[in-house]
Amino acid sequence: GENVEQHPSTLSVQEGDSAVIKCTYSDSASNYFPWYKQELGKGPQLIIDIRSNVGEKKDQRIAVTLNKTAKHFSLHITETQPEDSAVYFCAARRMNTGFQKLVFGTGTRLLVSP
Amino acid sequence: NAGVTQTPKFQVLKTGQSMTLQCAQDMNHEYMSWYRQDPGMGLRLIHYSVGAGITDQGEVPNGYNVSRSTTEDFPLRLLSAAPSQTSVYFCASSYSRSGGAGNEQFFGPGTRLTVL
Repeated sequence: GENVEQHPSTLSVQEGDSAVIKCTYSDSASNYFPWYKQELGKGPQLIIDIRSNVGEKKDQRIAVTLNKTAKHFSLHITETQPEDSAVYFCAARRMNTGFQKLVFGTGTRLLVSP
Repeated sequence: NAGVTQTPKFQVLKTGQSMTLQCAQDMNHEYMSWYRQDPGMGLRLIHYSVGAGITDQGEVPNGYNVSRSTTEDFPLRLLSAAPSQTSVYFCASSYSRSGGAGNEQFFGPGTRLTVL
């Protein structure tokens, strides 16, 4: 089955800096890669996703890149703000399977200091 | 819409006690699921349901039961609580179980359970 590894486990940056979180996956057939943000005391929330037919996707200050050959994908946050502080999870699955096959990474705690 | 609601927010049990974690959604979603979140282990699927009357096991189902008598509700039952079940539990729902444009999972705020 799929296995997703996520690094780093914690990341501290200064406000305005960029932050990068990396994930690797094991199942070469996986083709859907969402990212979730979990704020303190809340459930995870989908912030961006990418499918394997594209190499990069952007949404304002957030971007995700995918390298299918190396089987890794990354979340990039530019111009970080204190409200970006949260735990971020990556995940992977095959698009022709359901959410029950979604495998999550172990999470990255991002701290943005003013 | 209230979205996905979970009760209680916090619970402390003694080993061997039973309890039910409640989950409800008001979005008429077919698919509902339960996850547990443990430090350093991400989210792991316990049970899921693709519609009223239909449930199935996820990755870590042992010690938990579920039922889905209505579209809105998906309770999780701990039959005989064990310290290993100390965790944060999240309920999630989506329009259908298949991902795709416009179909995402919405998570509830979680229940923090401690078993002594």
